[in-house]
Amino acid sequence: AQRVTQPEKLLSVFKGAPVELKCNYSYSGSPELFWYVQYSRQRLQLLLRHISRESIKGFTADLNKGETSFHLKKPFAQEEDSAMYYCALRPLWGYNKLIFGAGTRLAVHP
Amino acid sequence: EPEVTQTPSHQVTQMGQEVILRCVPISNHLYFYWYRQILGQKVEFLVSFYNNEISEKSEIFDDQFSVERPDGSNFTLKIRSTKLEDSAMYFCASRDTGEDTEAFFGQGTRLTVV
Repeated sequence: AQRVTQPEKLLSVFKGAPVELKCNYSYSGSPELFWYVQYSRQRLQLLLRHISRESIKGFTADLNKGETSFHLKKPFAQEEDSAMYYCALRPLWGYNKLIFGAGTRLAVHP
Repeated sequence: EPEVTQTPSHQVTQMGQEVILRCVPISNHLYFYWYRQILGQKVEFLVSFYNNEISEKSEIFDDQFSVERPDGSNFTLKIRSTKLEDSAMYFCASRDTGEDTEAFFGQGTRLTVV
């Protein structure tokens, strides 16, 4: 079964603290993994994807196939990072729907 | 920057009524999607549409749902006879061709069935 698990509904940190939002997936193959972000009252937007291996807004995520994880990390959180973060999987077959995790709300306090 | 646009932003309808949610995808995109998010739950795939036909649908997308691209620009989701449990945020998304392309999402329509 294809599934994305984000175990934390809420992650609350202080500004400047490191952040790790966890994501585990279940998929029998090599999927594409994404992180989408939704700031307050805004649309879902792509934050980063594993194939690009780039850092966006200081966030990075490494695909660990052995642990089937794609955790999102940032060394020093900023208040403007407060948002909902969704991990998503895209199967490499079919018409490329996204399978989302339940999301983690990141709250960065001053 | 091009955006996916959804209208209305909020729709309230009575149970049993038909509702049409509208989306204008990004103009050169060829893949279109509807997702929904019930309050407090995850974003769920409903249907994908390509080349003027449904390419994949989830078990949620039953006979009460239909999609259409009536005029080459709009992409609509119709719910024939709404139920209370259809209350959710509905997101439209579009994507260009190619393995590497990302899906762009609309801002969503909040559907409330009373």
